[in-house]
Amino acid sequence: DQQVKQNSPSLSVQEGRISILNCDYTNSMFDYFLWYKKYPAEGPTFLISISSIKDKNEDGRFTVFLNKSAKHLSLHIVPSQPGDSAVYFCAASAGNQGGKLIFGQGTELSVKP
Amino acid sequence: EADIYQTPRYLVIGTGKKITLECSQTMGHDKMYWYQQDPGMELHLIHYSYGVNSTEKGDLSSESTVSRIRTEHFPLTLESARPSHTSQYLCASSSQNLNTEAFFGQGTRLTVV
Repeated sequence: DQQVKQNSPSLSVQEGRISILNCDYTNSMFDYFLWYKKYPAEGPTFLISISSIKDKNEDGRFTVFLNKSAKHLSLHIVPSQPGDSAVYFCAASAGNQGGKLIFGQGTELSVKP
Repeated sequence: EADIYQTPRYLVIGTGKKITLECSQTMGHDKMYWYQQDPGMELHLIHYSYGVNSTEKGDLSSESTVSRIRTEHFPLTLESARPSHTSQYLCASSSQNLNTEAFFGQGTRLTVV
């Protein structure tokens, strides 16, 4: 049973516009959520995270929103740039399970000039 | 930039061969992980370690084995490679803090022919 789901395998956005990537989870014990960016044949790079005690965290062009009641989080990138084109993975962890990261399937973002 | 290194980056090997994928980190992290990723799929945790002489199997069953004799080193071994082992293998590490990101190496792309 997949505990972290990213239902959109791909997203295409025009440069300068907002990119919104979505993620749903099922395990109510998750208390920490992260977004990673990954290029082919490379390891994931950490982007931004949010603790379950918050509903929003912002870092430059990246903002993560958490809706605990809906078990949903989203990553907003604004303005989107061509260099943002990559696969974005949502991940979650539960402190009482040792903090192991559980990943979604990823969403491939393409930002067109 | 994260100081976690994986070698080799790419490996093509024949069926039945024994292989060891190397992973080293210089951040003094106690926690280390091995993930396996097939194209277009999520990262699956196959092994993790919370310190020296501590290893556990992850959520995805794997025929590989790991060892953790030194804090900085977490190699993964396949005694007899098969085509079904073809995948990308990603090593990661994190500090002891519960809500913290994991840093990933660049990965090893393994192809068994």
